[in-house]
Amino acid sequence: DAGITQSPRYKITETGRQVTLMCHQTWSHSYMFWYRQDLGHGLRLIYYSAAADITDKGEVPDGYVVSRSKTENFPLTLESATRSQTSVYFCASSSYNEQFFGPGTRLTVL
Amino acid sequence: QQQVKQSPQSLIVQKGGIPIINCAYENTAFDYFPWYQQFPGKGPALLIAIRPDVSEKKEGRFTISFNKSAKQFSLHIMDSQPGDSATYFCAASLGNAGNNRKLIWGLGTSLAVNP
Repeated sequence: DAGITQSPRYKITETGRQVTLMCHQTWSHSYMFWYRQDLGHGLRLIYYSAAADITDKGEVPDGYVVSRSKTENFPLTLESATRSQTSVYFCASSSYNEQFFGPGTRLTVL
Repeated sequence: QQQVKQSPQSLIVQKGGIPIINCAYENTAFDYFPWYQQFPGKGPALLIAIRPDVSEKKEGRFTISFNKSAKQFSLHIMDSQPGDSATYFCAASLGNAGNNRKLIWGLGTSLAVNP
């Protein structure tokens, strides 16, 4: 299916565990983004990527790691999950100005 | 430091009413101002966008008004319907002049349209 997909859609993990959230887009958009959405904070940019092998920090990068070896994939890893990382995570890709969002991953860290 | 300030945080209107959501920005270099709509359990989706060379843009029942001198822009929803109940985000970016395509987001407005 064309578009942008995220997996898993729901994840429960424990403090200290490593978690990887996957993002895949089929449009070959050069730019990709990871956001977290929390009540009262809107959308906060974690990391973004301008192309394969080019990534940069956003507003709230601490505790997260990204990689982009292929244009279509942009995984987000929480190296050692903390309760404060409980959130809804959105991946997006863009062509020019419009950003296209995935359906989100709801992550709970116990 | 938030560069795009959005108000109100929440809004309740009756069906047929005209909700208005306002945003103010600081960076005069911004040249692209989109509004995104987000339904519960879904990702945001582009609703309508404007560039600063026009003062108003309409798409169906949705209108953006833009005031460059005041550094403000607003979203008006004409003849609002219960199906318009969603969270609305304004944003701004440097458009094609920016090398990173980043959007600077407002904090969102939760709109409820009562039947």
